[in-house]
Amino acid sequence: QQQVKQSPQSLIVQKGGISIINCAYENTAFDYFPWYQQFPGKGPALLIAIRPDVSEKKEGRFTISFNKSAKQFSLHIMDSQPGDSATYFCAARHTGNQFYFGTGTSLTVIP
Amino acid sequence: NAGVMQNPRHLVRRRGQEARLRCSPMKGHSHVYWYRQLPEEGLKFMVYLQKENIIDESGMPKERFSAEFPKEGPSILRIQQVVRGDSAAYFCASSREIRNTEAFFGQGTRLTVV
Repeated sequence: QQQVKQSPQSLIVQKGGISIINCAYENTAFDYFPWYQQFPGKGPALLIAIRPDVSEKKEGRFTISFNKSAKQFSLHIMDSQPGDSATYFCAARHTGNQFYFGTGTSLTVIP
Repeated sequence: NAGVMQNPRHLVRRRGQEARLRCSPMKGHSHVYWYRQLPEEGLKFMVYLQKENIIDESGMPKERFSAEFPKEGPSILRIQQVVRGDSAAYFCASSREIRNTEAFFGQGTRLTVV
């Protein structure tokens, strides 16, 4: 059973556009929601994270929007650049400290 | 402060051999997580360990797979009698003892079973 559902599976965006990736969860025991960026052949790298008592967090061009009642959260990449082309994973941490990941979104930013 | 170190980066094993994957967490981190990533798929949780304890192994196959995190030394993920289906990238992550902290990933070990 997939604890965190992520969409879309792949995304193509023009340079300068906005990339939006969505995730949903059911388990109310999740208390921390990070996003990871992974380049081919590399390990996932923490990008930005949010806790459920906050509805939005922004770091540079990256913003997480969090809707606790809907159990959904999303990553927005503003002014997308070719260097942002990577696979993005949302994740949720259980209060027992285990992390569960979405299936990933392959983002391609076209110059 | 070195990051999470995994070795080897690449490992080739013949069917039936044993594979040992090592993970040294970041300094000050006492929690280790192992994940498996198949091509074009996400990260699948395998096991969560603290020093000398397995906290959650609900993602580990019941047979041939084992993990440990001794008091001294790296965490080890051990796969006995490997089969072709074990070919994947195995990632280790670590976090501090304090709750509500991030998990940092290593570069992974890419296991190929031939």
